[in-house]
Amino acid sequence: GAVVSQHPSWVICKSGTSVKIECRSLDFQATTMFWYRQFPKQSLMLMATSNEGSKATYEQGVEKDKFLINHASLTLSTLTVTSAHPEDSSFYICSAYEGLLKQYFGPGTRLTVL
Amino acid sequence: DAKTTQPNSMESNEEEPVHLPCNHSTISGTDYIHWYRQLPSQGPEYVIHGLTSNVNNRMASLAIAEDRKSSTLILHRATLRDAAVYYCILTQGAQKLVFGQGTRLTINP
Repeated sequence: GAVVSQHPSWVICKSGTSVKIECRSLDFQATTMFWYRQFPKQSLMLMATSNEGSKATYEQGVEKDKFLINHASLTLSTLTVTSAHPEDSSFYICSAYEGLLKQYFGPGTRLTVL
Repeated sequence: DAKTTQPNSMESNEEEPVHLPCNHSTISGTDYIHWYRQLPSQGPEYVIHGLTSNVNNRMASLAIAEDRKSSTLILHRATLRDAAVYYCILTQGAQKLVFGQGTRLTINP
């Protein structure tokens, strides 16, 4: 099956700093990628839909100035958490739409903000 | 997106079949039924999807009720590696997946 990678797999940062997370589709081109956030013992929450070459579409309640998404190529989307605070600590997961009604998910990035 | 209802948890024994139910009484005619699963500390994994007819693949089978208001994911012979949270999701494409709470499946050795 198709493979999606994320980097880094985990990151610890100080409050007020920015963190960038990369999501790559390794063996297919993805016109659409998605970003999710998951808090402990909760389900995934869709944050935004990222289309190559255009602005991301954010879900209601997600601050677009805080969570910057860039989808510069058909295989790479990035999520930057700006001015991170402890409440932003979470498991961030991306997915890529491969077509044929399937999404492939990355392994996730665990962000801890001190 | 139409809502689905799943049991919070289920338990089964290794090497036995597992039937995971999903109710979706408000499903529309163009909604696909998708199943994904999430192993601990990993991203979700595609399992299967269907529209009207039953579907089989190497991982599982999907049985869809004739009125489409419910479906069942069937794992034919559970292994310990099948222990995960299973999500039943309706969507008119795969372009936007809205995850509910899912069913936490425990497999006993």
